[in-house]
Amino acid sequence: EAGVAQSPRYKIIEKRQSVAFWCNPISGHATLYWYQQILGQGPKLLIQFQNNGVVDDSQLPKDRFSAERLKGVDSTLKIQPAKLEDSAVYLCASSLDRPPTDTQYFGPGTRLTVL
Amino acid sequence: AQRVTQPEKLLSVFKGAPVELKCNYSYSGSPELFWYVQYSRQRLQLLLRHISRESIKGFTADLNKGETSFHLKKPFAQEEDSAMYYCALSGAGYQKVTFGIGTKLQVIP
Repeated sequence: EAGVAQSPRYKIIEKRQSVAFWCNPISGHATLYWYQQILGQGPKLLIQFQNNGVVDDSQLPKDRFSAERLKGVDSTLKIQPAKLEDSAVYLCASSLDRPPTDTQYFGPGTRLTVL
Repeated sequence: AQRVTQPEKLLSVFKGAPVELKCNYSYSGSPELFWYVQYSRQRLQLLLRHISRESIKGFTADLNKGETSFHLKKPFAQEEDSAMYYCALSGAGYQKVTFGIGTKLQVIP
């Protein structure tokens, strides 16, 4: 089966600019996750969708980050405006249904550099 | 609050030597524990989970609730085991997964 797709793979922006990341989960997977992984740290969950409803966004900096999952399939994560500390790899993952019992499948990630 | 501690950022072992990657956790309820692995230039992927009680690629991990640990072990390290290993924790139901900072395993030929 095709894996989780993410684009772009790399992005360099200046602080205060805006950026958007796109994720296409594995077909049929109801649950979608966005993680932020800062260099030297483990992935940190930003937001978790179940179909197109938000299950957990407690660690999402809502003053600058937003995410949506239209029609319960693709998802977009946006940062506006970006700060230097947002430099990280942004990982998208999906699972069939009920986390964490169902395995999470990760995408390749988007490496964001904020200058 | 849930927390995962991996005390070693880097673990170097010789090929054929035993491996133990340490993981301790903090969680008030009944935890579900996982090990994820990321090989060079590959995606993060699940290695094993405690509820399955399985051995994957020769690795095993036992949940010790008394010591709140979930150490990953392999009796004889192989060069292809060199990778980044993350311990992760979740609660039952629709609970978020919390990852540790990861341990880089380097197997020396």
